[in-house]
Amino acid sequence: DVVMTQTPVSLSVSLGGQVSISCRSSQSLVHNNGNTYLSWYLQKPGQSPQLLIYKVSNRFSGISDRFSGSGSGTDFTLKISRVEPDDLGVYYCGQGTQYPYTFGAGTKLELK
Amino acid sequence: QVKLLQSGAALVKPGDSVKMSCKASGYTFTDYIIHWVKQSHGKSLEWIGYINPYSGGTNYNEKFKSKATLTVDKSSSTAYMEFSRLTSEDSAIYYCASRAAMAYWGQGTLVTVSS
Repeated sequence: DVVMTQTPVSLSVSLGGQVSISCRSSQSLVHNNGNTYLSWYLQKPGQSPQLLIYKVSNRFSGISDRFSGSGSGTDFTLKISRVEPDDLGVYYCGQGTQYPYTFGAGTKLELK
Repeated sequence: QVKLLQSGAALVKPGDSVKMSCKASGYTFTDYIIHWVKQSHGKSLEWIGYINPYSGGTNYNEKFKSKATLTVDKSSSTAYMEFSRLTSEDSAIYYCASRAAMAYWGQGTLVTVSS
């Protein structure tokens, strides 16, 4: 199985600040069709996960441009700028390139 | 708008089975696969498998192959997951998700396994 390693485990940020979350996969996430199926999700307390970014860098409908994804192969990054209170929660990366689909352990974003 | 409405919480005994549902609306049910994901308390997400509502074809995570059975009822746009031979390790929230990159998620079904 593809292991997804997220760092850090937790982050403290001031409102208005910027943070980066790293996600590394144990194997390349480039699919045979040339696409890279790496997504980012945010799970707010007591809620279901919600899709933020798909295929590395594409923002899902309605997602603020404060969220940006980058990376390739096995190394990926989610950046959040001008952090707002509604951004707090646990962020997960997930891969849909190889079966079984797998997720990282999560990064908890908290207020400083 | 796309909605996935899951069945309510279940309290089941060890060794029993549980069947939960995921009713889709706001899109053509047979156009997109339905994924099922497990989240144990305070932990990360585990992909259980998916079902293609159009063909009924399935793809399971090997870890859950003997545990989970995925089905659909096209007439009611509802997907089902049955979990069998339950143990305390199966106590978790189970989500259904659909559309590309699991863009839409249900609200989750809490399953508690306890005697």
